[in-house]
Amino acid sequence: DAEITQSPRHKITETGRQVTLACHQTWNHNNMFWYRQDLGHGLRLIHYSYGVQDTNKGEVSDGYSVSRSNTEDLPLTLESAASSQTSVYFCASSGQGDQPQHFGDGTRLSIL
Amino acid sequence: AQKVTQAQTEISVVEKEDVTLDCVYETRDTTYYLFWYKQPPSGELVFLIRRNSFDEQNEISGRYSWNFQKSTSSFNFTITASQVVDSAVYFCALSARDTGRRALTFGSGTRLQVQP
Repeated sequence: DAEITQSPRHKITETGRQVTLACHQTWNHNNMFWYRQDLGHGLRLIHYSYGVQDTNKGEVSDGYSVSRSNTEDLPLTLESAASSQTSVYFCASSGQGDQPQHFGDGTRLSIL
Repeated sequence: AQKVTQAQTEISVVEKEDVTLDCVYETRDTTYYLFWYKQPPSGELVFLIRRNSFDEQNEISGRYSWNFQKSTSSFNFTITASQVVDSAVYFCALSARDTGRRALTFGSGTRLQVQP
Protein backbone atom coordinates (compact mmCIF):
# COMPACT_ATOMS: atom_id res chain seq x y z
CA ASP A 1 0.00 0.00 0.00
CA ALA A 2 1.12 3.54 -0.73
CA GLU A 3 2.10 5.56 2.31
CA ILE A 4 3.77 8.68 3.59
CA THR A 5 6.56 8.29 6.13
CA GLN A 6 8.15 10.85 8.39
CA SER A 7 11.42 10.42 10.23
CA PRO A 8 12.44 10.70 12.93
CA ARG A 9 9.23 10.41 14.96
CA HIS A 10 10.81 12.20 17.90
CA LYS A 11 13.87 14.42 18.14
CA ILE A 12 15.48 16.53 20.82
CA THR A 13 18.15 19.03 19.85
CA GLU A 14 19.78 22.23 21.01
CA THR A 15 19.27 25.79 19.87
CA GLY A 16 21.48 26.80 16.98
CA ARG A 17 21.79 23.31 15.53
CA GLN A 18 20.73 22.47 12.00
CA VAL A 19 17.92 19.91 11.90
CA THR A 20 16.44 18.07 8.94
CA LEU A 21 13.11 16.25 9.06
CA ALA A 22 12.48 13.69 6.37
CA CYS A 23 9.26 13.06 4.47
CA HIS A 24 8.90 10.26 1.93
CA GLN A 25 5.74 9.32 0.05
CA THR A 26 5.04 6.43 -2.25
CA TRP A 27 1.76 7.78 -3.64
CA ASN A 28 3.59 9.39 -6.58
CA HIS A 29 1.88 12.65 -5.65
CA ASN A 30 3.07 15.91 -7.14
CA ASN A 31 1.87 18.04 -4.22
CA MET A 32 3.69 17.91 -0.89
CA PHE A 33 3.29 20.09 2.19
CA TRP A 34 4.82 20.75 5.59
CA TYR A 35 2.72 21.98 8.51
CA ARG A 36 3.45 22.62 12.16
CA GLN A 37 0.91 22.01 14.90
CA ASP A 38 0.87 24.12 18.03
CA LEU A 39 -1.76 24.32 20.74
CA GLY A 40 -4.35 26.95 19.94
CA HIS A 41 -3.22 27.36 16.34
CA GLY A 42 -4.25 24.16 14.63
CA LEU A 43 -1.94 23.33 11.76
CA ARG A 44 -0.09 26.08 9.95
CA LEU A 45 1.57 25.82 6.56
CA ILE A 46 5.35 26.11 6.47
CA HIS A 47 6.33 25.27 2.88
CA TYR A 48 4.79 23.44 -0.04
CA SER A 49 5.76 22.03 -3.42
CA TYR A 50 3.72 21.29 -6.51
CA GLY A 51 6.42 19.27 -8.25
CA VAL A 52 10.11 18.59 -8.64
CA GLN A 53 12.22 21.75 -8.29
CA ASP A 54 9.14 23.72 -7.18
CA THR A 55 9.00 25.14 -3.63
CA ASN A 56 6.83 27.84 -2.10
CA LYS A 57 6.68 29.63 1.23
CA GLY A 58 3.71 29.21 3.48
CA GLU A 59 2.32 31.21 6.37
CA VAL A 60 5.16 30.47 8.83
CA SER A 61 8.22 29.86 6.65
CA ASP A 62 10.82 31.97 8.49
CA GLY A 63 13.69 29.81 9.72
CA TYR A 64 12.73 26.84 7.52
CA SER A 65 13.74 25.65 4.06
CA VAL A 66 12.78 22.78 1.77
CA SER A 67 14.08 21.30 -1.46
CA ARG A 68 12.38 18.98 -3.95
CA SER A 69 14.84 16.97 -6.01
CA ASN A 70 12.47 14.08 -6.72
CA THR A 71 8.78 13.27 -6.52
CA GLU A 72 8.95 11.15 -3.38
CA ASP A 73 10.81 13.38 -0.90
CA LEU A 74 10.41 16.81 0.65
CA PRO A 75 12.89 17.26 3.51
CA LEU A 76 12.35 20.18 5.88
CA THR A 77 15.45 21.91 7.25
CA LEU A 78 15.71 24.18 10.25
CA GLU A 79 18.90 26.11 9.51
CA SER A 80 19.51 27.24 13.11
CA ALA A 81 16.98 25.74 15.48
CA ALA A 82 15.21 28.06 17.90
CA SER A 83 13.11 27.17 20.95
CA SER A 84 10.08 28.72 19.20
CA GLN A 85 10.32 25.93 16.65
CA THR A 86 9.49 23.29 19.24
CA SER A 87 6.38 21.76 17.73
CA VAL A 88 4.82 18.74 16.06
CA TYR A 89 5.55 18.70 12.34
CA PHE A 90 3.32 17.03 9.78
CA CYS A 91 4.12 16.26 6.20
CA ALA A 92 1.31 15.69 3.69
CA SER A 93 0.86 14.88 0.04
CA SER A 94 -1.99 15.03 -2.44
CA GLY A 95 -2.71 14.11 -6.02
CA GLN A 96 -4.13 16.13 -8.89
CA GLY A 97 -6.54 18.96 -8.27
CA ASP A 98 -7.92 19.29 -4.78
CA GLN A 99 -7.76 15.70 -3.72
CA PRO A 100 -7.61 15.19 0.05
CA GLN A 101 -4.18 15.35 1.57
CA HIS A 102 -2.65 12.24 3.11
CA PHE A 103 -0.71 13.00 6.27
CA GLY A 104 2.30 11.37 7.83
CA ASP A 105 2.24 10.42 11.51
CA GLY A 106 4.13 13.54 12.55
CA THR A 107 7.51 14.36 14.06
CA ARG A 108 7.67 15.74 17.59
CA LEU A 109 10.62 18.13 17.74
CA SER A 110 11.88 19.62 20.99
CA ILE A 111 14.54 22.33 20.93
CA LEU A 112 16.24 23.00 24.24
CA ALA B 1 -6.53 36.07 2.94
CA GLN B 2 -8.49 33.01 3.88
CA LYS B 3 -9.42 32.03 7.38
CA VAL B 4 -11.17 29.21 9.22
CA THR B 5 -12.72 29.73 12.63
CA GLN B 6 -13.69 26.98 15.02
CA ALA B 7 -15.04 28.90 17.95
CA GLN B 8 -15.61 25.84 20.16
CA THR B 9 -12.29 25.01 21.77
CA GLU B 10 -13.57 22.02 23.72
CA ILE B 11 -16.87 20.18 23.97
CA SER B 12 -17.75 17.48 26.46
CA VAL B 13 -20.79 15.25 25.99
CA VAL B 14 -22.10 12.02 27.42
CA GLU B 15 -22.21 8.97 25.20
CA LYS B 16 -25.25 8.78 22.89
CA GLU B 17 -25.73 12.53 22.84
CA ASP B 18 -25.71 14.33 19.51
CA VAL B 19 -23.05 17.00 19.07
CA THR B 20 -22.42 19.64 16.43
CA LEU B 21 -19.01 21.11 15.70
CA ASP B 22 -19.08 24.55 14.14
CA CYS B 23 -16.87 25.82 11.33
CA VAL B 24 -16.99 29.27 9.75
CA TYR B 25 -14.72 30.19 6.87
CA GLU B 26 -13.62 33.28 4.99
CA THR B 27 -12.33 33.44 1.43
CA ARG B 28 -12.60 35.81 -1.52
CA ASP B 29 -12.37 32.95 -3.96
CA THR B 30 -15.39 31.58 -5.77
CA THR B 31 -13.99 28.06 -6.08
CA TYR B 32 -12.84 26.42 -2.90
CA TYR B 33 -12.91 23.16 -1.00
CA LEU B 34 -13.78 22.48 2.60
CA PHE B 35 -12.51 19.55 4.63
CA TRP B 36 -12.89 17.93 8.00
CA TYR B 37 -10.10 15.94 9.61
CA LYS B 38 -10.09 13.94 12.82
CA GLN B 39 -7.05 13.68 15.10
CA PRO B 40 -7.52 10.90 17.69
CA PRO B 41 -5.34 10.73 20.82
CA SER B 42 -2.79 8.66 18.87
CA GLY B 43 -1.99 11.82 16.89
CA GLU B 44 -2.51 10.95 13.24
CA LEU B 45 -4.76 13.02 11.00
CA VAL B 46 -7.67 11.17 9.44
CA PHE B 47 -9.54 12.61 6.47
CA LEU B 48 -13.33 12.63 6.94
CA ILE B 49 -14.89 14.63 4.12
CA ARG B 50 -14.24 17.05 1.25
CA ARG B 51 -16.89 19.41 -0.11
CA ASN B 52 -16.51 21.82 -3.04
CA SER B 53 -18.03 25.29 -3.10
CA PHE B 54 -20.54 24.41 -5.80
CA ASP B 55 -22.10 21.52 -3.94
CA GLU B 56 -24.31 22.62 -1.08
CA GLN B 57 -25.97 19.28 -0.57
CA ASN B 58 -25.74 17.99 2.94
CA GLU B 59 -23.99 14.70 3.37
CA ILE B 60 -24.56 11.82 5.74
CA SER B 61 -22.16 8.99 6.40
CA GLY B 62 -23.35 6.68 9.13
CA ARG B 63 -23.48 8.70 12.36
CA TYR B 64 -21.70 11.65 10.73
CA SER B 65 -23.41 14.43 8.81
CA TRP B 66 -22.24 17.72 7.38
CA ASN B 67 -24.23 20.90 6.74
CA PHE B 68 -22.71 23.29 4.21
CA GLN B 69 -24.31 26.74 3.93
CA LYS B 70 -22.64 29.28 1.63
CA SER B 71 -25.02 32.02 2.80
CA THR B 72 -23.48 31.88 6.26
CA SER B 73 -20.02 30.60 5.20
CA SER B 74 -20.41 27.63 7.48
CA PHE B 75 -19.59 23.94 7.22
CA ASN B 76 -20.81 22.30 10.40
CA PHE B 77 -20.26 18.70 11.43
CA THR B 78 -22.75 16.68 13.47
CA ILE B 79 -22.12 13.39 15.21
CA THR B 80 -25.31 11.54 16.08
CA ALA B 81 -25.38 9.20 19.06
CA SER B 82 -21.79 9.95 20.01
CA GLN B 83 -19.47 7.18 21.18
CA VAL B 84 -16.35 7.19 23.29
CA VAL B 85 -14.32 6.40 20.15
CA ASP B 86 -15.38 9.77 18.73
CA SER B 87 -13.20 11.50 21.32
CA ALA B 88 -10.64 13.41 19.30
CA VAL B 89 -9.66 16.83 18.03
CA TYR B 90 -11.56 17.77 14.89
CA PHE B 91 -10.20 20.23 12.36
CA CYS B 92 -12.05 22.09 9.67
CA ALA B 93 -9.89 23.23 6.73
CA LEU B 94 -10.15 25.23 3.52
CA SER B 95 -8.27 25.25 0.22
CA ALA B 96 -8.87 27.93 -2.40
CA ARG B 97 -8.62 26.89 -6.00
CA ASP B 98 -8.69 30.33 -7.61
CA THR B 99 -5.41 31.39 -6.07
CA GLY B 100 -3.77 28.18 -7.16
CA ARG B 101 -3.28 27.00 -3.65
CA ARG B 102 -3.98 23.41 -2.85
CA ALA B 103 -2.52 23.86 0.60
CA LEU B 104 -4.92 23.82 3.51
CA THR B 105 -5.80 26.59 5.92
CA PHE B 106 -6.86 24.94 9.17
CA GLY B 107 -9.03 26.11 12.00
CA SER B 108 -7.63 25.82 15.51
CA GLY B 109 -9.58 22.64 16.16
CA THR B 110 -12.32 21.50 18.53
CA ARG B 111 -11.49 18.91 21.16
CA LEU B 112 -14.43 16.56 21.66
CA GLN B 113 -14.59 14.44 24.77
CA VAL B 114 -17.27 11.79 24.92
CA GLN B 115 -17.81 10.49 28.42
CA PRO B 116 -19.14 6.96 28.94
